[in-house]
Amino acid sequence: EAQVTQNPRYLITVTGKKLTVTCSQNMNHEYMSWYRQDPGLGLRQIYYSMNVEVTDKGDVPEGYKVSRKEKRNFPLILESPSPNQTSLYFCASSAGLAGVSYNEQFFGPGTRLTVL
Amino acid sequence: GQQVMQIPQYQHVQEGEDFTTYCNSSTTLSNIQWYKQRPGGHPVFLIQLVKSGEVKKQKRLTFQFGEAKKNSSLHITATQTTDVGTYFCAYGLSFGAGTTVTVRA
Repeated sequence: EAQVTQNPRYLITVTGKKLTVTCSQNMNHEYMSWYRQDPGLGLRQIYYSMNVEVTDKGDVPEGYKVSRKEKRNFPLILESPSPNQTSLYFCASSAGLAGVSYNEQFFGPGTRLTVL
Repeated sequence: GQQVMQIPQYQHVQEGEDFTTYCNSSTTLSNIQWYKQRPGGHPVFLIQLVKSGEVKKQKRLTFQFGEAKKNSSLHITATQTTDVGTYFCAYGLSFGAGTTVTVRA
């Protein structure tokens, strides 16, 4: 089954304790992205990657890191989490560009993070 | 920042009524995508519009791309409780803030 998986699904942590949220896709997609979702703000892109070893900042990258060492995995790293990073996080993947249009994105189930 | 703006942010609809949500951009878009997120779920792709003035239908949902390719709309007829959720438009990898729909039975 084609899917995007994220782990953990729920996480409660404390300020300053480094954490990693994993994301994996089995569709051989080139593009992967991380979004955070907050009430009233919709989906805001944190980082994206167009291929292995190619990553770029989205709209809200501060406080986050990513890596793309393998095509299927795109982990999100919070080196020193703060309460303002409490949010719902989604990983997504797509086949990338089709001409001038982007292919549809497939989303993971989400990770609800609480930073105390 | 977000390249597309959505209105309204919230839509409360009586079951059986129609409603429309809008997606606007200050620049010309090469395409627009629409996604739906059910409560507690993740966004799921609905459709992509590419051509100027394009209209596509999915059962009770009608999607339209403006002639100038700067706006798009989603019209739902005879709203049902299954339509509850948040509808996002997206351009490229950027999403609008979404319209959250609730339905009164």
